[in-house]
Amino acid sequence: SQQGEEDPQALSIQEGENATMNCSYKTSINNLQWYRQNSGRGLVHLILIRSNEREKHSGRLRVTLDTSKKSSSLLITASRAADTASYFCATEAGGGSYIPTFGRGTSLIVHP
Amino acid sequence: DAGVIQSPRHEVTEMGQEVTLRCKPISGHNSLFWYRQTMMRGLELLIYFNNNVPIDDSGMPEDRFSAKMPNASFSTLKIQPSEPRDSAVYFCASSSLGPADTQYFGPGTRLTVL
Repeated sequence: SQQGEEDPQALSIQEGENATMNCSYKTSINNLQWYRQNSGRGLVHLILIRSNEREKHSGRLRVTLDTSKKSSSLLITASRAADTASYFCATEAGGGSYIPTFGRGTSLIVHP
Repeated sequence: DAGVIQSPRHEVTEMGQEVTLRCKPISGHNSLFWYRQTMMRGLELLIYFNNNVPIDDSGMPEDRFSAKMPNASFSTLKIQPSEPRDSAVYFCASSSLGPADTQYFGPGTRLTVL
């Protein structure tokens, strides 16, 4: 079964609004990564957050990690139409395996 | 750097034919991954190589699928014989420090099996 699952499956907002996506996982991890995928393209890495970190920022992106709840969130502030994409979290499969597993993603649409 | 290169970008073939997908990882990266993405199943890891050696191929669907990495700069994913249910987008990705590190994805190969 998949390790990470994103929520919601789809999100539709207006330009300028904030977008929040969540990722839950099942077993302990060393790190968690967020990726973006524009339609018809490969995935692009956004942020990696390690298990001993609680929050990380990159431009308009803010990622939090709560290891006690086994969850992470990705916040995009002041969204733009160009942020329209699918967003995936990637975690290790667990059980000592470092094989990465991706969730099904959150499809974000930002209306201009 | 040109990034991860995949070829072909699109492939349309008929059921029963052999399909070969190609990948050139980023120079210096020692880990290579093949993924398959479909609407139904999402993004699935098929196989992972480290230093040209297959480490985990548990995601390979069945014997019709095979992957090779003859050297650090080239990998192939072969499907023989192909079936309509193999239709998907196949991605190759590479990383420099292993599977827990940032992965760099290629543009993908969209495979359609008629």
